[in-house]
Amino acid sequence: KQEVTQIPAALSVPEGENLVLNCSFTDSAIYNLQWFRQDPGKGLTSLLLIQSSQREQTSGRLNASLDKSSGRSTLYIAASQPGDSATYLCAVPYSSASKIIFGSGTRLSIRP
Amino acid sequence: DTGVSQDPRHKITKRGQNVTFRCDPISEHNRLYWYRQTLGQGPEFLTYFQNEAQLEKSRLLSDRFSAERPKGSFSTLEIQRTEQGDSAMYLCASSSVTRGDGYTFGSGTRLTVV
Repeated sequence: KQEVTQIPAALSVPEGENLVLNCSFTDSAIYNLQWFRQDPGKGLTSLLLIQSSQREQTSGRLNASLDKSSGRSTLYIAASQPGDSATYLCAVPYSSASKIIFGSGTRLSIRP
Repeated sequence: DTGVSQDPRHKITKRGQNVTFRCDPISEHNRLYWYRQTLGQGPEFLTYFQNEAQLEKSRLLSDRFSAERPKGSFSTLEIQRTEQGDSAMYLCASSSVTRGDGYTFGSGTRLTVV
């Protein structure tokens, strides 16, 4: 059974810092991993999708890495801004072709 | 394409009433998913469709819940005899089996049962 854990549950840092969010999963036989952002009371916005054959993906100030063998992914945010404040969720497929399973998320707050 | 659309955005209902939510997926996507999210938790899977076929249902989906996707396009999620514990955000997502570009979520429907 696939389980996804995100640490820390909450993080508060001053503006401008670089930071890392962590995601771990128990079944390494995944074929992709997706990072999402969620603002309070809103839906999910896809940030990055990493295929199992890739080790990382980049979009602007965001960089996501994937290490299947250790069951881990990290989301790196460079030069954080107050607008980055949100909950960040990672998700992996439960099996090869069905639903995705989410972690509980990391609630990020960037202090001006 | 405007992405995944959900309607309504908010719904307040009295306990015992029936409610129905609608989801319009991205037109090129053949899979459609329903998730439920409570405060402080990640979304939990409820059910998914490939075209018009409902392929999997979670044990979270009690017999008061029913979902349909009659023509393989939009989907509806109905909750009968609502309970206060049904209060949550209901999220819809779609994906393409062939494109492999991940899941796209809608803005969700916030249900409050009073």
